[in-house]
Amino acid sequence: DQQVKQNSPSLSVQEGRISILNCDYTNSMFDYFLWYKKYPAEGPTFLISISSIKDKNEDGRFTVFLNKSAKHLSLHIVPSQPGDSAVYFCAASESNYQLIWGAGTKLIIKP
Amino acid sequence: DGGITQSPKYLFRKEGQNVTLSCEQNLNHDAMYWYRQDPGQGLRLIYYSQIVNDFQKGDIAEGYSVSREKKESFPLTVTSAQKNPTAFYLCASSMRSSTDTQYFGPGTRLTVL
Repeated sequence: DQQVKQNSPSLSVQEGRISILNCDYTNSMFDYFLWYKKYPAEGPTFLISISSIKDKNEDGRFTVFLNKSAKHLSLHIVPSQPGDSAVYFCAASESNYQLIWGAGTKLIIKP
Repeated sequence: DGGITQSPKYLFRKEGQNVTLSCEQNLNHDAMYWYRQDPGQGLRLIYYSQIVNDFQKGDIAEGYSVSREKKESFPLTVTSAQKNPTAFYLCASSMRSSTDTQYFGPGTRLTVL
């Protein structure tokens, strides 16, 4: 039973447009959420996080939105750049316990 | 030049053999983790350690063993008891807890023939 779900295995977006990656979760006790980015043959790297007391966190081109009532979070990348092509993982945690990871979404930025 | 290293990058073993995957970090992090990644699935936690000489089982610890004799090192042994060992293995470290930013190594792809 996956507690963190990324239902889109892949997403293709035109360079310069907005990329929106989605993540749904089932555990209402999750209070901390993170996005990691992974290039081929490398380990994931931290991108951005949000705690459940907020509904939005922004860092440059990256914004994460949290909708607690819908148990949904999304990552917006604006504008999308070729270097953003990677696999993006959503992860969640309850009270500083271990992270639960989604399966990842492969983002492809088309020139 | 701080970071986390895993070796080897690719590993082939015969069925029934134990194999040990190396993970070293020079970030002075207390916590270290081993994850397994399979196609179409998220990272699943095998073992983690928050302090030297102590470690805890993750969600899929069966068939694996670890040691944490030094702060810098957290080797993972895949034993013959692991029913489906072929996978991509990722090691990570963080300052103290799992919600601190985790820094990952490049991974080891293990193939059991």
